[in-house]
Amino acid sequence: RKEVEQDPGPFNVPEGATVAFNCTYSNSASQSFFWYRQDCRKEPKLLMSVYSSGNEDGRFTAQLNRASQYISLLIRDSKLSDSATYLCVVNPRGGGATNKLIFGTGTLLAVQP
Amino acid sequence: DGGITQSPKYLFRKEGQNVTLSCEQNLNHDAMYWYRQDPGQGLRLIYYSQIVNDFQKGDIAEGYSVSREKKESFPLTVTSAQKNPTAFYLCASRMDRGTGELFFGEGSRLTVL
Repeated sequence: RKEVEQDPGPFNVPEGATVAFNCTYSNSASQSFFWYRQDCRKEPKLLMSVYSSGNEDGRFTAQLNRASQYISLLIRDSKLSDSATYLCVVNPRGGGATNKLIFGTGTLLAVQP
Repeated sequence: DGGITQSPKYLFRKEGQNVTLSCEQNLNHDAMYWYRQDPGQGLRLIYYSQIVNDFQKGDIAEGYSVSREKKESFPLTVTSAQKNPTAFYLCASRMDRGTGELFFGEGSRLTVL
């Protein structure tokens, strides 16, 4: 089983749709979680951190389910500019540079006009 | 503006040649990382460094070498021993302590002919 698994997609959705991505992780002791966005042939950029209580940033909502070991990202009212690959990132341990973040392969979202 | 600068953005080399990718940051970050990204795969860690004059192997260090003579700089050499060097290389940095957010450079795309 991969340490971090994502559905590669692509998810093709019309503008204005709501879309959700899930990501599962294998290490139950994992400490922190992130969603990064990566545009085609560009570098990843942090979209949001994922907190135990769930967090929202505008149209984006991230949730963590420790019991089932998955995190989710919900995008409401999709825009064309949301088209990108969304990377799930897991930190297996606490803070510190020695911790090697584990990246999922990413989920491709294509928002259609 | 603070950030991470990678160069060159695109590089073509013949088989058997060593190439060095530059990575410079002015974020005053302690930790720096090199990742490799291939289609359909998550980012894989090549090397990382927490402090000047110290670095550690990541998951796929074979065929690569690094140095950390200055806090701001973390160059990566892709040697002729690397069996499949064609890839997108990403340099990243973050504070040694904190939320764990990685800041990425724009990447270097290496093609070996």
